[in-house]
Amino acid sequence: GENVEQHPSTLSVQEGDSAVIKCTYSDSASNYFPWYKQELGKGPQLIIDIRSNVGEKKDQRIAVTLNKTAKHFSLHITETQPEDSAVYFCAASLGGSYIPTFGRGTSLIVHP
Amino acid sequence: ETGVTQSPTHLIKTRGQQVTLRCSSQSGHNTVSWYQQALGQGPQFIFQYYREEENGRGNFPPRFSGLQFPNYSSELNVNALELDDSALYLCASSLDAYPYEQYFGPGTRLTVT
Repeated sequence: GENVEQHPSTLSVQEGDSAVIKCTYSDSASNYFPWYKQELGKGPQLIIDIRSNVGEKKDQRIAVTLNKTAKHFSLHITETQPEDSAVYFCAASLGGSYIPTFGRGTSLIVHP
Repeated sequence: ETGVTQSPTHLIKTRGQQVTLRCSSQSGHNTVSWYQQALGQGPQFIFQYYREEENGRGNFPPRFSGLQFPNYSSELNVNALELDDSALYLCASSLDAYPYEQYFGPGTRLTVT
């Protein structure tokens, strides 16, 4: 089955800095890669996603890049703000029978 | 537009008991997926229901079962509870089955003692 590795497990940055979280996946047939933000006491919130026919996608301060050859994808957050502090999860899933696999999460801490 | 809701918020059960968790999907969504999230881990896929039929299952034993109703709300049932079942149980709804975006509810925190 699919295996998703996520790094780093903790990321501490100063307000205004950029943050990058990286994930690798094992199954080359995976074709949908969402990113979720989970705040304390809440369910994960979809913040951006990318499909395998696209190399990069941006939404304001957030961007995701996908390298299918290397089987890795990354989340980039620019101009970080304290409210960006949360746990971020990447996931990968295959077409057809939908069984998404999540990474173990990255705790992002943005210091004012 | 009403978001995904789950009940109850918290639950404490004893080992060996049975539990039922409930989820109301977002308006217009016909697909519900259930996940188990242990402390400090990512969500693990339990199963998905699409138009009242199971549409994919993760690596969970048969004592984890579910239902989806005609209004697309859903239940997760867990029999013979074990201590390791203590976790946050998340429900997510989507407009249709894969590969549509999923929207998560706040979860039910289950503690098994």
